[in-house]
Amino acid sequence: QLQLQESGPGLVKPSETLSLTCTVSGGSISSSDYYWAWIRQPPGKGLELIGNIYFTGSTYYKPSLKSRVTISVDTSKNQFSLKVNSVTAADTAVYYCARLQQVTQGCFDSWGQGTPVTVSS
Amino acid sequence: QSALTQPPSASGSPGQSVTISCTGTSSDVGNYKYVSWYQQHPGKAPKLIIYAVSERPSGVPDRFSGSKSGNTASLTVSGLQTEDEADYYCSSYVGGYNYVFGTGTKVTVL
Repeated sequence: QLQLQESGPGLVKPSETLSLTCTVSGGSISSSDYYWAWIRQPPGKGLELIGNIYFTGSTYYKPSLKSRVTISVDTSKNQFSLKVNSVTAADTAVYYCARLQQVTQGCFDSWGQGTPVTVSS
Repeated sequence: QSALTQPPSASGSPGQSVTISCTGTSSDVGNYKYVSWYQQHPGKAPKLIIYAVSERPSGVPDRFSGSKSGNTASLTVSGLQTEDEADYYCSSYVGGYNYVFGTGTKVTVL
C-alpha cells in the first residue's frame, strides 16, 4: 500500500527558506502514471495546490508562488522535495504531499498525513 | 484562478441525504471531467471520495455520489452517518497541470 510521509522543520523564521521532503513507500516515484504534488492548508482555511513534479523533473508551479518555490525529485531515494524562499507569516500552514493521478483521473488519490509549518521569529 | 465556490455548511439528520454544490466557471468545472471530491476529518489529511465527476475509488461507500451540470458539480451523501461529519472539498482541473480547490463545506450530522 502506498504511503507518503512529509518531513522537515516545523518552525521557520521570516525571510528564511522552508524545506520539506516527502518520502514515498510502497510504490515507485518513477511510475509513468503519476505526478507528485505539494498542497498546503493555512489554519482554518482551504486547500491550495503549490505545484507538482513528474519523475523526469518536469514541474508546474502555482503562478502566484512561482518566484519563491522549487520542487525537486530524487528517484534514487524515492523522494520529492519542496523549498519556499523568503517566507512570511502567510506561509504558515499544514503542508501535504500527495500523488496526482493526472493522466486518467485528474485527482489526488493518496496523501501524506501533513506536517504543520509555522513561520515566526 | 479563483477558488471554486461551495456553501460554508450543510447538515442533515442520520439517514437523510445532503447535497453540496461546487460552482466554478467554463474554464474549470464546465470544461473538464476531472472534478474530484475530498473528505477531511479534523486534524486529518483529505481523503479522495469521488474522482472524474462521479467515480468512486475502491472502498468508498456507494452512499457518496457525484454529478455535474454545466459549471456546477455536486456531491450527494445519502443515508447520512455520524462518521460523515467532516469538511468536504471539491477540486477541478484548470489546464496546464493546475488544479483549483473549492472553499470547503462543513457537513454536520444533527
